[in-house]
Amino acid sequence: AQTVTQSQPEMSVQEAETVTLSCTYDTSESNYYLFWYKQPPSRQMILVIRQEAYKQQNATENRFSVNFQKAAKSFSLKISDSQLGDTAMYFCAFMKPPIPGLTFGEGTQLTVNP
Amino acid sequence: KAGVTQTPRYLIKTRGQQVTLSCSPISGHRSVSWYQQTPGQGLQFLFEYFSETQRNKGNFPGRFSGRQFSNSRSEMNVSTLELGDSALYLCASSLEGSGGLDTQYFGPGTRLTVL
Repeated sequence: AQTVTQSQPEMSVQEAETVTLSCTYDTSESNYYLFWYKQPPSRQMILVIRQEAYKQQNATENRFSVNFQKAAKSFSLKISDSQLGDTAMYFCAFMKPPIPGLTFGEGTQLTVNP
Repeated sequence: KAGVTQTPRYLIKTRGQQVTLSCSPISGHRSVSWYQQTPGQGLQFLFEYFSETQRNKGNFPGRFSGRQFSNSRSEMNVSTLELGDSALYLCASSLEGSGGLDTQYFGPGTRLTVL
């Protein structure tokens, strides 16, 4: 079975600074998807970024980037120039069809301070 | 394109009652998945529907059921509600779901409170 672990329950960062959220996963599969979702106080789950395991290049979306280390089964999220609106719970998630659904980590509560 | 919509946003029920939640996927998406989110258990997969058929189901009792209509809209039903069913229920849509490596887009959720 796949497992996803986020070892940082809470983190905080000052506005405009950079923060990195950690995620490790366990799988014997070779091709899969990894995701970071954010869930702000509104509870809407929003896709931040995704990474296909077969791609060596790390995914980037504006201020968000990942450090994907396939051999180490590590998938960290870096947020640059943090903004107050980045305050949210961040979930790391794994997908490998035909295994159904996303497997989520426990989440990291990120607070951006002014 | 409009996003995933869920109705109602909030529900309060009493133990023993049943409840039906609705989800409308993004236009063109044929897969709808349901998740339960609780503080204790986190996010757990309930089931997935694709082309009006339940394709997968998570580890939940038979009180949890669902269906999908020809327009891909989906409903989930919980019968004989228990206090532990209080949760945020999230619906997610994707093009192919577990039929391929695909991105799921979530709705705003339905907050169910069982008294």
